[in-house]
Amino acid sequence: QQQVKQSPQSLIVQKGGISIINCAYENTAFDYFPWYQQFPGKGPALLIAIRPDVSEKKEGRFTISFNKSAKQFSLHIMDSQPGDSATYFCAASWEGVSGNTGKLIFGQGTTLQVKP
Amino acid sequence: DAGVIQSPRHEVTEMGQEVTLRCKPISGHNSLFWYRQTMMRGLELLIYFNNNVPIDDSGMPEDRFSAKMPNASFSTLKIQPSEPRDSAVYFCASLYRGTDTQYFGPGTRLTVL
Repeated sequence: QQQVKQSPQSLIVQKGGISIINCAYENTAFDYFPWYQQFPGKGPALLIAIRPDVSEKKEGRFTISFNKSAKQFSLHIMDSQPGDSATYFCAASWEGVSGNTGKLIFGQGTTLQVKP
Repeated sequence: DAGVIQSPRHEVTEMGQEVTLRCKPISGHNSLFWYRQTMMRGLELLIYFNNNVPIDDSGMPEDRFSAKMPNASFSTLKIQPSEPRDSAVYFCASLYRGTDTQYFGPGTRLTVL
């Protein structure tokens, strides 16, 4: 029940195309859903995040779509660029008695390659 | 800001040896997390601290693993004795409680021969 399932495992997109990565969860206590971006040899870095009180959040070319009833959320990268080539992780965490626990459960990751 | 600092960046050791990984969180951050990343298991949370106190160590794989945070600016993850299956990239992350964003360090790539 603590798992976050991510798909696809890998994705190849042409420059200018749309990249879509999907995640699903079971635990309804999750209330914070971030996406992290990781380049080779680097640590993950927060890309964008959403809470369940909204269905969509957009920051530049990156959009999270959130479906609370289906317990699914997805990352859309518009106008994908070669510089977006990286591994993307969805994650989820939940509120504890003294605020967000900060304990992130990560999906398995998606390796995105954007071809020029 | 220097970000989260980890050392060493690479460690190669032989089975049975003790390994100590080090982490300096971002100044002012009061939560610290240790993760392990492998191809098979992805990113796994090992342990986390709030205000230097271990809160949840349920992800620590075995008694061979131990973590300490003697003060707000330093934490260690120790493996004794090390085994080849411990080979992975170990990340440290820090967070300021009341906010959501965890900031990850560059990681330590551990190879146990």
